[in-house]
Amino acid sequence: GQQLNQSPQSMFIQEGEDVSMNCTSSSIFNTWLWYKQDPGEGPVLLIALYKAGELTSNGRLTAQFGITRKDSFLNISASIPSDVGIYFCAGRNNTGKLIFGQGTTLQVKP
Amino acid sequence: KAGVTQTPRYLIKTRGQQVTLSCSPISGHRSVSWYQQTPGQGLQFLFEYFSETQRNKGNFPGRFSGRQFSNSRSEMNVSTLELGDSALYLCASSNRGRADTQYFGPGTRLTVL
Repeated sequence: GQQLNQSPQSMFIQEGEDVSMNCTSSSIFNTWLWYKQDPGEGPVLLIALYKAGELTSNGRLTAQFGITRKDSFLNISASIPSDVGIYFCAGRNNTGKLIFGQGTTLQVKP
Repeated sequence: KAGVTQTPRYLIKTRGQQVTLSCSPISGHRSVSWYQQTPGQGLQFLFEYFSETQRNKGNFPGRFSGRQFSNSRSEMNVSTLELGDSALYLCASSNRGRADTQYFGPGTRLTVL
Protein backbone atom coordinates (compact mmCIF):
# COMPACT_ATOMS: atom_id res chain seq x y z
CA GLY A 1 0.00 0.00 0.00
CA GLN A 2 0.91 3.63 -0.05
CA GLN A 3 3.61 4.70 2.36
CA LEU A 4 4.55 8.08 3.68
CA ASN A 5 8.14 8.77 4.66
CA GLN A 6 8.28 11.40 7.34
CA SER A 7 11.56 12.92 8.46
CA PRO A 8 13.25 13.53 10.68
CA GLN A 9 12.09 10.90 13.16
CA SER A 10 12.99 13.13 16.09
CA MET A 11 14.42 16.55 16.76
CA PHE A 12 15.90 18.14 19.86
CA ILE A 13 16.22 21.89 19.48
CA GLN A 14 16.80 25.03 21.49
CA GLU A 15 13.89 27.34 22.26
CA GLY A 16 13.69 30.08 19.63
CA GLU A 17 15.04 27.95 16.80
CA ASP A 18 13.10 27.25 13.63
CA VAL A 19 12.03 23.69 12.82
CA SER A 20 11.39 21.99 9.52
CA MET A 21 9.98 18.53 8.84
CA ASN A 22 8.67 16.89 5.69
CA CYS A 23 6.81 13.98 4.22
CA THR A 24 7.37 12.30 0.90
CA SER A 25 5.58 9.58 -0.99
CA SER A 26 6.01 7.64 -4.20
CA SER A 27 2.33 8.24 -4.97
CA ILE A 28 0.29 11.40 -5.31
CA PHE A 29 -2.16 12.69 -2.76
CA ASN A 30 -5.14 15.01 -3.09
CA THR A 31 -4.94 16.44 0.41
CA TRP A 32 -2.16 16.90 2.92
CA LEU A 33 -2.87 17.38 6.62
CA TRP A 34 -0.54 18.14 9.50
CA TYR A 35 -1.43 17.10 13.04
CA LYS A 36 0.18 17.47 16.46
CA GLN A 37 -0.33 14.88 19.18
CA ASP A 38 0.35 15.33 22.87
CA PRO A 39 0.89 12.28 25.09
CA GLY A 40 -2.34 10.41 25.84
CA GLU A 41 -4.41 12.59 23.52
CA GLY A 42 -5.69 12.37 19.98
CA PRO A 43 -4.00 14.25 17.12
CA VAL A 44 -5.05 17.88 16.73
CA LEU A 45 -5.29 19.35 13.26
CA LEU A 46 -2.76 22.12 12.61
CA ILE A 47 -2.97 22.83 8.89
CA ALA A 48 -4.91 21.39 5.93
CA LEU A 49 -3.71 21.71 2.33
CA TYR A 50 -5.96 20.98 -0.64
CA LYS A 51 -4.12 22.17 -3.77
CA ALA A 52 -0.69 21.50 -5.22
CA GLY A 53 1.59 24.42 -4.50
CA GLU A 54 -0.62 25.75 -1.72
CA LEU A 55 1.24 27.49 1.11
CA THR A 56 -0.73 28.00 4.31
CA SER A 57 0.17 29.52 7.66
CA ASN A 58 -1.31 29.09 11.11
CA GLY A 59 0.47 31.42 13.50
CA ARG A 60 4.10 30.35 13.68
CA LEU A 61 3.37 27.28 11.55
CA THR A 62 3.66 27.19 7.78
CA ALA A 63 3.00 24.20 5.55
CA GLN A 64 3.17 23.64 1.81
CA PHE A 65 1.60 21.13 -0.56
CA GLY A 66 4.34 20.09 -2.97
CA ILE A 67 3.94 20.83 -6.68
CA THR A 68 4.36 17.14 -7.56
CA ARG A 69 1.62 16.27 -5.02
CA LYS A 70 4.01 13.72 -3.55
CA ASP A 71 5.40 15.76 -0.70
CA SER A 72 4.66 18.35 1.94
CA PHE A 73 6.64 20.21 4.56
CA LEU A 74 5.86 21.89 7.86
CA ASN A 75 7.90 24.72 9.33
CA ILE A 76 7.66 26.03 12.87
CA SER A 77 9.31 29.37 13.50
CA ALA A 78 10.70 30.60 16.82
CA SER A 79 9.91 27.39 18.71
CA ILE A 80 8.62 27.52 22.27
CA PRO A 81 8.45 24.79 24.95
CA SER A 82 4.76 24.06 24.29
CA ASP A 83 5.64 23.02 20.72
CA VAL A 84 6.85 19.75 22.23
CA GLY A 85 4.95 16.75 20.89
CA ILE A 86 4.67 14.39 17.97
CA TYR A 87 3.88 15.88 14.57
CA PHE A 88 2.20 13.75 11.94
CA CYS A 89 1.68 14.34 8.28
CA ALA A 90 -1.24 12.62 6.58
CA GLY A 91 -2.10 12.33 2.93
CA ARG A 92 -5.48 11.50 1.45
CA ASN A 93 -5.46 9.53 -1.78
CA ASN A 94 -8.18 9.23 -4.39
CA THR A 95 -9.82 6.33 -2.53
CA GLY A 96 -10.48 8.66 0.38
CA LYS A 97 -8.17 6.84 2.77
CA LEU A 98 -5.93 8.90 5.02
CA ILE A 99 -2.36 7.61 5.20
CA PHE A 100 -0.20 8.78 8.10
CA GLY A 101 3.52 9.30 8.35
CA GLN A 102 5.40 7.74 11.25
CA GLY A 103 5.65 11.05 13.09
CA THR A 104 8.35 13.49 14.11
CA THR A 105 9.00 13.78 17.84
CA LEU A 106 9.95 17.34 18.75
CA GLN A 107 11.66 18.26 21.96
CA VAL A 108 12.41 21.89 22.82
CA LYS A 109 15.05 22.85 25.35
CA PRO A 110 14.18 26.07 27.22
CA LYS B 1 -19.34 23.02 19.03
CA ALA B 2 -18.37 20.00 21.11
CA GLY B 3 -15.51 17.92 19.76
CA VAL B 4 -15.31 14.21 19.08
CA THR B 5 -15.90 12.19 22.23
CA GLN B 6 -14.81 8.63 22.88
CA THR B 7 -15.76 6.29 25.68
CA PRO B 8 -14.32 4.77 27.66
CA ARG B 9 -10.97 6.56 27.84
CA TYR B 10 -9.20 3.57 29.38
CA LEU B 11 -9.96 -0.13 29.29
CA ILE B 12 -8.21 -3.24 30.57
CA LYS B 13 -9.22 -6.63 29.21
CA THR B 14 -7.78 -10.13 29.13
CA ARG B 15 -6.94 -12.28 26.14
CA GLY B 16 -9.94 -13.90 24.53
CA GLN B 17 -12.43 -11.30 25.72
CA GLN B 18 -14.24 -8.93 23.43
CA VAL B 19 -14.55 -5.16 23.69
CA THR B 20 -16.78 -2.40 22.32
CA LEU B 21 -15.59 1.17 21.97
CA SER B 22 -17.85 4.12 21.32
CA CYS B 23 -17.39 7.35 19.37
CA SER B 24 -19.65 10.39 19.11
CA PRO B 25 -18.68 12.64 16.19
CA ILE B 26 -18.86 16.40 16.03
CA SER B 27 -22.46 17.49 15.62
CA GLY B 28 -23.38 17.50 11.93
CA HIS B 29 -20.51 15.24 10.88
CA ARG B 30 -21.61 12.13 9.03
CA SER B 31 -18.33 10.33 8.56
CA VAL B 32 -16.51 8.44 11.29
CA SER B 33 -13.15 6.76 10.84
CA TRP B 34 -11.32 4.51 13.26
CA TYR B 35 -7.56 4.14 13.69
CA GLN B 36 -5.27 1.98 15.77
CA GLN B 37 -2.14 3.64 17.10
CA THR B 38 0.80 1.67 18.47
CA PRO B 39 4.42 2.71 19.03
CA GLY B 40 5.68 0.23 16.47
CA GLN B 41 3.13 0.63 13.68
CA GLY B 42 2.05 4.24 14.09
CA LEU B 43 -1.47 5.23 13.02
CA GLN B 44 -3.18 2.49 11.07
CA PHE B 45 -6.55 2.96 9.40
CA LEU B 46 -9.23 0.48 10.48
CA PHE B 47 -12.40 1.53 8.70
CA GLU B 48 -14.62 4.45 7.79
CA TYR B 49 -18.39 4.75 8.07
CA PHE B 50 -20.54 7.27 6.27
CA SER B 51 -24.30 7.45 6.68
CA GLU B 52 -24.37 4.05 8.43
CA THR B 53 -22.43 2.30 5.64
CA GLN B 54 -18.86 1.09 5.74
CA ARG B 55 -17.12 2.99 2.96
CA ASN B 56 -13.48 2.08 3.43
CA LYS B 57 -11.64 -0.67 5.20
CA GLY B 58 -8.03 -1.13 6.24
CA ASN B 59 -6.02 -4.32 6.46
CA PHE B 60 -7.17 -5.69 9.79
CA PRO B 61 -8.55 -9.16 10.54
CA GLY B 62 -12.26 -9.85 10.77
CA ARG B 63 -12.06 -9.70 14.57
CA PHE B 64 -12.25 -5.94 14.14
CA SER B 65 -15.67 -4.70 13.19
CA GLY B 66 -17.69 -1.56 13.45
CA ARG B 67 -21.02 0.03 12.83
CA GLN B 68 -22.60 3.44 12.65
CA PHE B 69 -26.01 4.46 13.89
CA SER B 70 -28.52 6.83 12.36
CA ASN B 71 -27.33 9.64 14.66
CA SER B 72 -23.78 9.13 13.25
CA ARG B 73 -22.46 7.71 16.51
CA SER B 74 -20.18 4.76 15.87
CA GLU B 75 -19.02 1.70 17.73
CA MET B 76 -16.01 -0.48 17.15
CA ASN B 77 -15.85 -4.07 18.35
CA VAL B 78 -12.85 -6.33 18.75
CA SER B 79 -13.53 -9.97 19.47
CA THR B 80 -11.17 -12.63 20.83
CA LEU B 81 -8.66 -10.06 22.04
CA GLU B 82 -4.96 -10.70 21.60
CA LEU B 83 -2.04 -9.12 23.43
CA GLY B 84 -1.10 -7.28 20.23
CA ASP B 85 -4.43 -5.47 20.23
CA SER B 86 -3.18 -3.25 23.05
CA ALA B 87 -3.18 0.21 21.54
CA LEU B 88 -4.71 3.65 21.50
CA TYR B 89 -7.87 3.51 19.38
CA LEU B 90 -8.72 6.82 17.80
CA CYS B 91 -11.92 7.93 16.19
CA ALA B 92 -12.08 10.84 13.76
CA SER B 93 -15.09 12.57 12.28
CA SER B 94 -15.56 14.70 9.21
CA ASN B 95 -18.45 16.32 7.44
CA ARG B 96 -18.40 14.83 3.99
CA GLY B 97 -15.83 12.12 4.43
CA ARG B 98 -13.74 11.76 1.32
CA ALA B 99 -12.54 15.27 0.76
CA ASP B 100 -13.05 16.73 4.17
CA THR B 101 -10.72 17.30 7.09
CA GLN B 102 -10.82 14.81 9.93
CA TYR B 103 -10.98 15.82 13.58
CA PHE B 104 -9.83 13.32 16.17
CA GLY B 105 -11.16 12.35 19.56
CA PRO B 106 -8.93 11.78 22.60
CA GLY B 107 -8.83 8.03 22.02
CA THR B 108 -9.48 4.91 24.07
CA ARG B 109 -6.41 3.29 25.57
CA LEU B 110 -6.97 -0.48 25.47
CA THR B 111 -4.65 -2.76 27.41
CA VAL B 112 -4.93 -6.52 26.88
CA LEU B 113 -3.39 -8.68 29.60
